[in-house]
Amino acid sequence: EAGVVQSPRYKIIEKKQPVAFWCNPISGHNTLYWYRQNLGQGPELLIRYENEEAVDDSQLPKDRFSAERLKGVDSTLKIQPAELGDSAVYLCASSWGGTGPNTEAFFGQGTRLTVV
Amino acid sequence: DQQVKQNSPSLSVQEGRISILNCDYTNSMFDYFLWYKKYPAEGPTFLISISSIKDKNEDGRFTVFLNKSAKHLSLHIVPSQPGDSAVYFCAASAPFGNEKLTFGTGTRLTIIP
Repeated sequence: EAGVVQSPRYKIIEKKQPVAFWCNPISGHNTLYWYRQNLGQGPELLIRYENEEAVDDSQLPKDRFSAERLKGVDSTLKIQPAELGDSAVYLCASSWGGTGPNTEAFFGQGTRLTVV
Repeated sequence: DQQVKQNSPSLSVQEGRISILNCDYTNSMFDYFLWYKKYPAEGPTFLISISSIKDKNEDGRFTVFLNKSAKHLSLHIVPSQPGDSAVYFCAASAPFGNEKLTFGTGTRLTIIP
C-alpha cells in the first residue's frame, strides 16, 4: 500500500515569492492534515480536513496561507508571499478519521522549505 | 502553552540496555496517546499508542506506560538496538471533534554500540 506522498521534497525560494506543496493521502483516508515542523520542535497542526471540508484551520495564518482539498483526496498548501520565518518542514498526514485508534496518522516525508 | 512536554531533548543508551523516554501532558481532555519515531529527512512514523482506559500497552520491544493521575507517560525500549537511534515524539489527542494530534518537542535517542 502506498503511503502519503508529498512533493516537492525540498524547495528554496526568495522571500515574497509564492510556493505550493502537494499531498496525496493514503487511499481511503478521509482525514488529511497539514503540519509544520520548525527546527527542534514537534509538528504543529496548520489545518485538518474531513473529506473536502476544512474542520480545523484555527492555526493557519490566513493572511498568507491557503489550502484546498478538492474532491476530498489530494490537497495543496500555498504560501503567498513567503517570509523568512516560514522556513520549516511541511508535513502532510492522513488517517481514517474519528477518535482513539483512528487518530493514528500516517505522515509523508515532508517538504523542507527554505526561504532566503 | 506547551500541552505535551518532553523535557529531555536527548538521551544516550548503551546497546542492549533499556531506553526510557518520558512525556508529560497538561490537558486532562487528552484520552489517546501515541509515540512516533522520526529518522532524518523522513516523516514521523507511528510506533505505539495507548488509550486512557489502559495503563500499559506492549508491542515487541516497545512498551508504553500511562499514569493518568500524574499526566505522565513513558516509552520503554528493551533491549535497545542501534536502529532505534532516532527522534521520538510523544503525541496526544482529545475526543469529540478535536482529533488533531498535539506533539511534544521530541527526544533524540542515541544507542551506543
